[in-house]
Amino acid sequence: KQEVTQIPAALSVPEGENLVLNCSFTDSAIYNLQWFRQDPGKGLTSLLLIQSSQREQTSGRLNASLDKSSGRSTLYIAASQPGDSATYLCALYNAGNMLTFGGGTRLMVKP
Amino acid sequence: DVKVTQSSRYLVKRTGEKVFLECVQDMDHENMFWYRQDPGLGLRLIYFSYDVKMKEKGDIPEGYSVSREKKERFSLILESASTNQTSMYLCASSLFPPVPGFSDEQYFGPGTRLTVT
Repeated sequence: KQEVTQIPAALSVPEGENLVLNCSFTDSAIYNLQWFRQDPGKGLTSLLLIQSSQREQTSGRLNASLDKSSGRSTLYIAASQPGDSATYLCALYNAGNMLTFGGGTRLMVKP
Repeated sequence: DVKVTQSSRYLVKRTGEKVFLECVQDMDHENMFWYRQDPGLGLRLIYFSYDVKMKEKGDIPEGYSVSREKKERFSLILESASTNQTSMYLCASSLFPPVPGFSDEQYFGPGTRLTVT
């Protein structure tokens, strides 16, 4: 069964820093990988979707990479801002449209 | 833009009550999903549906049932609510039914925070 791990579980950085969030998975037979943002008490906002044939996706200050062979994905956030404070979730699509989520990284960006 | 809506953002119910959580999507999506999210346990799949009147159990179906009478609407039912069903419930939908070698993006609703007292 697919297992998804996100490290670190929590991260606090000063504003302006570049940072990397990590996601690792045990089964490389994945289809897509998606990064979400979740604000406290709210639903999920999709940030980036990487299809299995791709190695990375970029949107503004965000860049996500995927290395299926090593079972890893990273989310890079450039020039972090207090508004980036949220929980970031990594999720993998397996056969049959099933999603497996990681536990999330809770990010705090301090002014 | 895909829009997935959930009938309530916050809900408070008493133990033993029958509870209905409603989810509606407006993009003619084939698949719909119900998850619950709990601290330390992450998001877990309760039930999903690939078509009208069709349902499949997810990882934690015990204590829940679902109904999909129309393509755009997927209801989660707690037949007799219990305190351990206090949680955040998230609905999602995706366009295509499962096809070998292909997986389709899921779109999430805003969530319903249910408290059972």
